[in-house]
Amino acid sequence: ELKVEQNPLFLSMQEGKNYTIYCNYSTTSDRLYWYRQDPGKSLESLFVLLSNGAVKQEGRLMASLDTKARLSTLHITAAVHDLSATYFCAVSILSGGYNKLIFGAGTRLAVHP
Amino acid sequence: DGGITQSPKYLFRKEGQNVTLSCEQNLNHDAMYWYRQDPGQGLRLIYYSQIVNDFQKGDIAEGYSVSREKKESFPLTVTSAQKNPTAFYLCASSPAVFSSYNEQFFGPGTRLTVL
Repeated sequence: ELKVEQNPLFLSMQEGKNYTIYCNYSTTSDRLYWYRQDPGKSLESLFVLLSNGAVKQEGRLMASLDTKARLSTLHITAAVHDLSATYFCAVSILSGGYNKLIFGAGTRLAVHP
Repeated sequence: DGGITQSPKYLFRKEGQNVTLSCEQNLNHDAMYWYRQDPGQGLRLIYYSQIVNDFQKGDIAEGYSVSREKKESFPLTVTSAQKNPTAFYLCASSPAVFSSYNEQFFGPGTRLTVL
């Protein structure tokens, strides 16, 4: 059974600091997605990583994918309060003939002064 | 504007009642999905549909039913057989289930509470 593990599950950061969220998965996949969810809201797509070595950046967030290590990272640079949210990674696998997304449990990020 | 709409935003259900959650998309996507999210957890797949008049069970389909009579619409019924239905329900769509680029786009969600 595919497992997608994120760590940490909760992260309290000071504004201006850097940190990395990790997403490990247990089976072969070359497609990984990062989503953001604000409290009580839907999921917003952040990054789509489609190949080994893929790196994408948007503002203070940078995501990377290492398919050999089965690891994706979401790096936060100089955190600001607006980044406070829950971040999910989701791995795409072929299951029963279709592409299925398996989600991690999420990392709740709180950025404080 | 293209997007996914869900209604209602909040729904309250009494014990033994069936309730139906609406999901509509105007993105011209072939595939649609229903997920359940419990507090502090990730998403779990309930049902998905690749094309009209076809749908498949996901990981937690027991106590739920769906229909796909139109490409744009994928309603979810939470039946009385679902013993713990209180959760946040998210509908999503993607261009095609079999596409290698299967990014899913999510609706705003429906919060269901059992009284």
